[in-house]
Amino acid sequence: AQKITQTQPGMFVQEKEAVTLDCTYDTSDPSYGLFWYKQPSSGEMIFLIYQGSYDQQNATEGRYSLNFQKARKSANLVISASQLGDSAMYFCAMREESYNTDKLIFGTGTRLQVFP
Amino acid sequence: GAVVSQHPSWVICKSGTSVKIECRSLDFQATTMFWYRQFPKQSLMLMATSNEGSKATYEQGVEKDKFLINHASLTLSTLTVTSAHPEDSSFYICSARPMGLADNEQFFGPGTRLTVL
Repeated sequence: AQKITQTQPGMFVQEKEAVTLDCTYDTSDPSYGLFWYKQPSSGEMIFLIYQGSYDQQNATEGRYSLNFQKARKSANLVISASQLGDSAMYFCAMREESYNTDKLIFGTGTRLQVFP
Repeated sequence: GAVVSQHPSWVICKSGTSVKIECRSLDFQATTMFWYRQFPKQSLMLMATSNEGSKATYEQGVEKDKFLINHASLTLSTLTVTSAHPEDSSFYICSARPMGLADNEQFFGPGTRLTVL
């Protein structure tokens, strides 16, 4: 079974608008971390935001926020005030932390395009 | 922030030759580094976990004799694609997490694009 599911292969958003990128996950590990990475066309992976399974509050980093709904096993990324430079691939990833491993499992990604 | 470099950034080789890719943590030490492969328009797939001073741990379906990993120091891991074939053409990305840091971030290298003719 897929551990990380991103159901949106592509999304469009107008500049200055907010956009939500979906991510659901599947794990039986009570301790896990959820990550979002941005990958521009140049290829490098850029860390955006992290949410721990025991964190009480949703993570926020500048224009990025993570809508963490533990019971639904979802960790959607919200980008506010989109900019043209936000156009990229976005990957959701999970790390199962009970086994003391840093291994990341990635979703299939969502390509976001921001238009003027 | 911590920086991870990869060398080369791109390489073209003939079928049957071997190619070595280096992954270096420039300003931190990492006991563990990870190697990923990414085919065009697809996600990153973990190939192996590289442990300093010990054998790498390979993911299911990854041939350890074909993808040789050496983690000789706390700042360097190498991936050698042996007897490369066109189907090995891909984008290879490494990542590392700084030792002793409570931070949750894993730092990625810029990737190496391998094309096998």
